[in-house]
Amino acid sequence: KAGVTQTPRYLIKTRGQQVTLSCSPISGHRSVSWYQQTPGQGLQFLFEYFSETQRNKGNFPGRFSGRQFSNSRSEMNVSTLELGDSALYLCASSLALGTSGVNEQFFGPGTRLTVL
Amino acid sequence: DQQVKQNSPSLSVQEGRISILNCDYTNSMFDYFLWYKKYPAEGPTFLISISSIKDKNEDGRFTVFLNKSAKHLSLHIVPSQPGDSAVYFCAATHSGTYKYIFGTGTRLKVLA
Repeated sequence: KAGVTQTPRYLIKTRGQQVTLSCSPISGHRSVSWYQQTPGQGLQFLFEYFSETQRNKGNFPGRFSGRQFSNSRSEMNVSTLELGDSALYLCASSLALGTSGVNEQFFGPGTRLTVL
Repeated sequence: DQQVKQNSPSLSVQEGRISILNCDYTNSMFDYFLWYKKYPAEGPTFLISISSIKDKNEDGRFTVFLNKSAKHLSLHIVPSQPGDSAVYFCAATHSGTYKYIFGTGTRLKVLA
């Protein structure tokens, strides 16, 4: 079974631009979560989607948004990029996160975003 | 507000010895805890988990201990192997929130 895939793997943008990152979950997984990883900050939760609905959101400004499609694929968008948005963005999928006994998330390799 | 803390950014252990990685949390509503391992240029990989109704869970060389009164969990790796060298993250969640809070990670180096 193929793992979680993220595209692109690397991205360089300039301040003020916007960016869209894509995540394809493991087949059959309906929950997709997004995280931002920066040095010293660990993984910061961005949002979680299940069946095209956002069920929770982290403490990030409105410039960060996401969506999920009917095939469970997900995208996240960052508008008006700032230097501080440079980070590794990780996507994780789960069969049905929150359902009793289902808690494991499988992570993709991430998209490394650099904002100049 | 860092609800999950890993106060040791790095740890070095001799091959064959025990590695103990620690994690503290502040939110008493957390009821499920996980450990992930991360190699460079890869996403985190699930290692082991524990529910708040237990105080210990074991899987091969890996054991997680949970002390709810101290709001503390630890991961024991015995015996440690060079391939265990990676960054380890602990994470916590409150069932029904669909949200995991991760610590900042501990870099483990196992010396051959």
